[in-house]
Amino acid sequence: DGGITQSPKYLFRKEGQNVTLSCEQNLNHDAMYWYRQDPGQGLRLIYYSQIVNDFQKGDIAEGYSVSREKKESFPLTVTSAQKNPTAFYLCASSIIGRESTGELFFGEGSRLTVL
Amino acid sequence: AQSVAQPEDQVNVAEGNPLTVKCTYSVSGNPYLFWYVQYPNRGLQFLLKYITGDNLVKGSYGFEAEFNKSQTSFHLKKPSALVSDSALYFCAVRGGQNFVFGPGTRLSVLP
Repeated sequence: DGGITQSPKYLFRKEGQNVTLSCEQNLNHDAMYWYRQDPGQGLRLIYYSQIVNDFQKGDIAEGYSVSREKKESFPLTVTSAQKNPTAFYLCASSIIGRESTGELFFGEGSRLTVL
Repeated sequence: AQSVAQPEDQVNVAEGNPLTVKCTYSVSGNPYLFWYVQYPNRGLQFLLKYITGDNLVKGSYGFEAEFNKSQTSFHLKKPSALVSDSALYFCAVRGGQNFVFGPGTRLSVLP
């Protein structure tokens, strides 16, 4: 089945460590996104990418980094510079185009807890 | 810039009763509007979208939404609520390649 796979589902990190969250899609979508969700809050955009080897900062990019070496993959690294990394992270993808009206498809999320 | 408001943090409804989850938006140009549902510790699932055409949009699981251009609203509705509809609901608007989400409304359907 086509979809988006995020791993790991749960991750624990000690302060000062970098961690990388995986996101893979087989929907052949050009655009991929990373969102952060905190309890009682909506989704905030961290980074997005519309094409391989290119990506743009979202609203809360500080302390995060991404890469887009393959169309199918968009890993997110939470660095030690991120002051409050404990959150639920969601990866998504969509088709793009000049008049695209497509919806976002989401993975199942990764919950990161800093100990 | 696009924005989305969901004026109610929480909506409670009895099973079998109709439900409404409210959403208002602000966007320049044509509004592309979406509703998503999220169950605990899961990703968001797409319910329905409005692009153009009929103001009443039908979606998954018996949900529908009514687009009202003059009131800039896109309320989610269901004629008869189920306990299994209890979840977090997000309204979103697409502007170009980016999406803006509302803060979410928690729906509780009481048996």
